Amino acid sequence: DTAVSQTPKYLVTQMGNDKSIKCEQNLGHDTMYWYKQDSKKFLKIMFSYNNKELIINETVPNRFSPKSPDKAHLNLHINSLELGDSAVYFCASSPLAGPGNEQFFGPGTRLTVL
Amino acid sequence: SQQGEEDPQALSIQEGENATMNCSYKTSINNLQWYRQNSGRGLVHLILIRSNEREKHSGRLRVTLDTSKKSSSLLITASRAADTASYFCATDRGSTLGRLYFGRGTQLTVWP
Repeated sequence: DTAVSQTPKYLVTQMGNDKSIKCEQNLGHDTMYWYKQDSKKFLKIMFSYNNKELIINETVPNRFSPKSPDKAHLNLHINSLELGDSAVYFCASSPLAGPGNEQFFGPGTRLTVL
Repeated sequence: SQQGEEDPQALSIQEGENATMNCSYKTSINNLQWYRQNSGRGLVHLILIRSNEREKHSGRLRVTLDTSKKSSSLLITASRAADTASYFCATDRGSTLGRLYFGRGTQLTVWP
């Protein structure tokens, strides 16, 4: 199936731990994104990579570090997890980086920090 | 700050009725997009309208854009129970990098 996939779907962990979320797209897109959706459904962009290069880095704590080993993958590593990091994290991709591009979203990873 | 304020926050209608959701934004834009999110799922793109367009149709969806009022509306005609979802508008705030700024969404419930 052509899609944006994320693993894991659910992640429950203790404060202070380090965790990673993986994202892969097989749509042949150049651009990938990470979004965070809070409990009130507010969706906020965190990062964007175009062809493995970081092009958007919103005001995100440096505990969050994205890594793009190739243009089909964009992983998110989070150090020293805090309660406020609990949210649903969505990966997305688009054909190109410019405006006017539809974004294709993954199913989300629900992170719960205890 | 968030870009894109949808109203109403929640809308409940019967199958067969039309549903209208509105979105307002604050800055200039290149495009405005509407997305749907079913419960527990990722967002699905519905329609994109460019800043020089006033109206666009896709199946049962009709989107309007009024750049002078910085507002957009999404109309779903002849709604179905399967249309139950959250609907979000997203703008680019004039960015050329593809970043999207979403509102908090309208939760639409369509009763059979």
